[in-house]
Amino acid sequence: IQLTQSPSLLSASVGDRVTLSCKGSQNINNYLAWYQQKLGEAPKLLIYNTNSLQTGIPSRFSGSGSGTDYTLTISSLQPEDVATYFCYQYNNGFTFGSGTKLEIK
Amino acid sequence: QVQLKESGPGLVQPSRTLSLTCTVSGFSLTSYGVSWVRQPPGKGLEWIAAIWSGGSTDYNSALKSRLSISRDTSKSQVLLKMNSLQTEDTAMYFCARWDSGYGWFAYWGQGTLVTVSS
Repeated sequence: IQLTQSPSLLSASVGDRVTLSCKGSQNINNYLAWYQQKLGEAPKLLIYNTNSLQTGIPSRFSGSGSGTDYTLTISSLQPEDVATYFCYQYNNGFTFGSGTKLEIK
Repeated sequence: QVQLKESGPGLVQPSRTLSLTCTVSGFSLTSYGVSWVRQPPGKGLEWIAAIWSGGSTDYNSALKSRLSISRDTSKSQVLLKMNSLQTEDTAMYFCARWDSGYGWFAYWGQGTLVTVSS
């Protein structure tokens, strides 16, 4: 399964509501997770099973979607959210998306 | 607590074989599977291989002919070998553990950078 993320680069202001998209080449059956990766660090799990928030992750992060289309939403962008975000499917093998780089405007 | 730590040679010559080690603590390799994931500089993540709690293995189909994953449970280590290295194999190599037996990776090592160059 191929995952296509959009946009590849997103610039937004502090406090903005931000939406990142991930589209699969086939039905992912909600077996989708989101990771945040800051420069020089390992990926950090944010969301699993489409909409389950990992322990310790701020509630401004949320996930939704079904079928082939999934979304990560940050309800109020904070400076510490600057990072690259990857989606990841485990419905059929293991595949990561190409990433969305999130910047502060 | 769960920890994973990668180690490797840093620099490898083209056409040679890469050997990487993931040393884990806080859990048993007979209870949880471990995978290797790599990331070329400035690019995305690619799952490479997995060794399951029962000892069976899975590989990325595009790399399968070049890969071997194994484990030493007495040392709590997962070993990855990749042969016929090319410059395109230059990447940060991470080992990671699933949260349960399968699915999403909840635990990651800090990664080890492998540069393929003569």
